[in-house]
Amino acid sequence: DAGVTQSPTHLIKTRGQQVTLRCSPKSGHDTVSWYQQALGQGPQFIFQYYEEEERQRGNFPDRFSGHQFPNYSSELNVNALLLGDSALYLCASSFQKTQYFGPGTRLLVL
Amino acid sequence: QQQVKQSPQSLIVQKGGIPIINCAYENTAFDYFPWYQQFPGKGPALLIAIRPDVSEKKEGRFTISFNKSAKQFSLHIMDSQPGDSATYFCAARAGRGYNTDKLIFGTGTRLQVFP
Repeated sequence: DAGVTQSPTHLIKTRGQQVTLRCSPKSGHDTVSWYQQALGQGPQFIFQYYEEEERQRGNFPDRFSGHQFPNYSSELNVNALLLGDSALYLCASSFQKTQYFGPGTRLLVL
Repeated sequence: QQQVKQSPQSLIVQKGGIPIINCAYENTAFDYFPWYQQFPGKGPALLIAIRPDVSEKKEGRFTISFNKSAKQFSLHIMDSQPGDSATYFCAARAGRGYNTDKLIFGTGTRLQVFP
């Protein structure tokens, strides 16, 4: 049984660009959450998707947007990248509450 | 009220020791408290979790102690091994009525276990 997968593993962008990160949940999981983890910090909740709808959003600007597809996979989009967006972006999938994390996408904004 | 405070920031123990990591919260609506282990360059992996109606839970060498009245919980690692060297995060989930499974994480504890 495959766990949560994310792509790409690493990404380098320049300020002002846009980026799309992808996540495939564990088999049987219908809920996907996205977190941002800055170096040396705990993960910070960005938003959560369930039944293709954004269920709740954390304290992140509208530059961060997402989508969930009918097969439960999800994308995180970040527009107008800032240097401060450099972080590890984590996707977590869940079914009945327990969240399992993927390996993350390391984004570097130059 | 949405914070989870974690201490210490770092911990060094010898093999066989019992490191203890502590967390505290304010929001009594939190209903689920997981601990995650994270190795460098990897995503957090679920270790063990507890609900507030239970005072202690053990899984292998990992034990959570939960004090509901003090709003504190802690992770104990028995017979620690060098392979346990990692960063540990406590977390809390908002409960019913919040319509979400959002996790709020502590700031992490970097554990080093020396042979």
